[in-house]
Amino acid sequence: DSGVTQTPKHLITATGQRVTLRCSPRSGDLSVYWYQQSLDQGLQFLIHYYNGEERAKGNILERFSAQQFPDLHSELNLSSLELGDSALYFCASSVTGGYQETQYFGPGTRLLVL
Amino acid sequence: DQQVKQNSPSLSVQEGRISILNCDYTNSMFDYFLWYKKYPAEGPTFLISISSIKDKNEDGRFTVFLNKSAKHLSLHIVPSQPGDSAVYFCAAAYSGAGSYQLTFGKGTKLSVIP
Repeated sequence: DSGVTQTPKHLITATGQRVTLRCSPRSGDLSVYWYQQSLDQGLQFLIHYYNGEERAKGNILERFSAQQFPDLHSELNLSSLELGDSALYFCASSVTGGYQETQYFGPGTRLLVL
Repeated sequence: DQQVKQNSPSLSVQEGRISILNCDYTNSMFDYFLWYKKYPAEGPTFLISISSIKDKNEDGRFTVFLNKSAKHLSLHIVPSQPGDSAVYFCAAAYSGAGSYQLTFGKGTKLSVIP
């Protein structure tokens, strides 16, 4: 158990809908990262938050947004969903987001868009 | 364009023998490399890492080798055990990115046969 929790574990929805994925980092960790793993793909970096502020963006679609709240949990919002958004979404946390700090991953949320 | 490549989707090894997982990268700015292990229905777990100033790092049964001139790294597991059966992801990062985001390969599924 990494100490990172993600809810829900599974999500099935329809095209055009909007969903929210939630991540609670390990106790004491200030940084949260979101990654997407599509079928047969490696994990792709989406976005990084540190202590409530956006630190970096990767290949995140404009239909996707995220935020980190004062209690340090983070939410990833996916809107106008398309079939291609079906994927595993992982969040990871680390203490400060500093270079070479180990990132601890949650179990992921599996999203299926029908 | 994939910056981190794991060209072998799968590998089968007999218990007790050596497992060698390979990874190539194209971005010469990468200066830190990691291996993560992933079991089904779980998030990736950090296994071992290596900085570009080194060419080898060992941790118990796991050794990572880095060949900077070839932009190649490998993970050696000796001896292999059935519990090592998992998907192994190679990842890379660079210090100038402003955010410690990881770039992952697509993974290699290792099966250790008893």
